[in-house]
Amino acid sequence: DTEVTQTPKHLVMGMTNKKSLKCEQHMGHRAMYWYKQKAKKPPELMFVYSYEKLSINESVPSRFSPECPNSSLLNLHLHALQPEDSALYLCASSHRLRPGQGTLGVFGAFFGQGTRLTVV
Amino acid sequence: QQQVKQSPQSLIVQKGGISIINCAYENTAFDYFPWYQQFPGKGPALLIAIRPDVSEKKEGRFTISFNKSAKQFSLHIMDSQPGDSATYFCAVSLSYGNKLVFGAGTILRVKS
Repeated sequence: DTEVTQTPKHLVMGMTNKKSLKCEQHMGHRAMYWYKQKAKKPPELMFVYSYEKLSINESVPSRFSPECPNSSLLNLHLHALQPEDSALYLCASSHRLRPGQGTLGVFGAFFGQGTRLTVV
Repeated sequence: QQQVKQSPQSLIVQKGGISIINCAYENTAFDYFPWYQQFPGKGPALLIAIRPDVSEKKEGRFTISFNKSAKQFSLHIMDSQPGDSATYFCAVSLSYGNKLVFGAGTILRVKS
């Protein structure tokens, strides 16, 4: 099973709403990621969780709040978003290598299908 | 600062032809170079990847060529098919950093 599942597929929310995006993987990966992708642009890294701990925050505004409840689940809590936050939000997972551990082939990052978010 | 530069922005190839997409990077510490394929409305899918200790890797119709001294790598799609029409992204990473940085993307259209 090489699947990363994201829900919901589509989300429309008002600027005063609170909503959450969910991501699940069962590949035993210990690194999980949130990326944001605008139309005709490459994915941009937002957050990285490594062994359920936040390891990278790419200076993302606090209206985006990530959470990793366990090794299989990743959430992104949304609050007071702006229309410019409308985008495709992608979750990904990969093995988490440490120096001296593993080889290419176990490192590939697998992406979910994304949540298309529209902020109105 | 753009960490990886991808070209061309778009590419039109006849069915059966060879599609070639190029990427160049600056940081010699990068040690993982994947290519992703993305169809409209879908997430990127890992296509093929290479480490800098090899110069070429082939999987089916897809080949990565890697030139460490020039800090460049490219994707070759042999016998291109209309179903290959998609956006292709190169990426660079540090194996132990788990942080992928993507190129700007190439929109490939294969004409039948």
